[in-house]
Amino acid sequence: KAGVTQTPRYLIKTRGQQVTLSCSPISGHRSVSWYQQTPGQGLQFLFEYFSETQRNKGNFPGRFSGRQFSNSRSEMNVSTLELGDSALYLCASSPGQGDYGYTFGSGTRLTVV
Amino acid sequence: AQSVTQLGSHVSVSEGALVLLRCNYSSSVPPYLFWYVQYPNQGLQLLLKYTSAATLVKGINGFEAEFKKSETSFHLTKPSAHMSDAAEYFCAVSSFSGYALNFGKGTSLLVTP
Repeated sequence: KAGVTQTPRYLIKTRGQQVTLSCSPISGHRSVSWYQQTPGQGLQFLFEYFSETQRNKGNFPGRFSGRQFSNSRSEMNVSTLELGDSALYLCASSPGQGDYGYTFGSGTRLTVV
Repeated sequence: AQSVTQLGSHVSVSEGALVLLRCNYSSSVPPYLFWYVQYPNQGLQLLLKYTSAATLVKGINGFEAEFKKSETSFHLTKPSAHMSDAAEYFCAVSSFSGYALNFGKGTSLLVTP
């Protein structure tokens, strides 16, 4: 079956702009999580959604937001981009209940110039 | 809060030698523990997970890990390294709810001929 699909793979944005990243989970998975990966901070949890509800949120400013749709697809949005937002953004999905193994997508590489 | 510490940011082994990647966890409740591998320009692939069943967990590609509560450790091993094992390895711990993963800083494995 198809894996976790993230679009786009690469993105270049200018400081101050906003960006929306998309994630399509594995069919049947109802939980979607987002992570930011940078060389300095490593992998950091952004937020997790299950059945359109945010169940958990990491320690990121309000410029970072997300949502999940009824078909479990998820988007994350970053407003007023800063240079430090340059990172690999990873999406992961899981069935959401009783199975704690997350399957990750290949990520979106965001570069802010 | 649950956290993991990976000892050694870089590990080098010869092809055919034992691979040992160290991970210690800190958790106030029985943890769920994971090992992921990341190849360049890719997402994370789940190698194995511990969810309080058997303490010796077997994963993909010949990897296994042993949960040792007395040592708060979850080290990853493979009897014989292959060149294709060269990658970044991440240990992670989740809360009981499983809604978020806290990752270690990662260990870069180099396999030499």
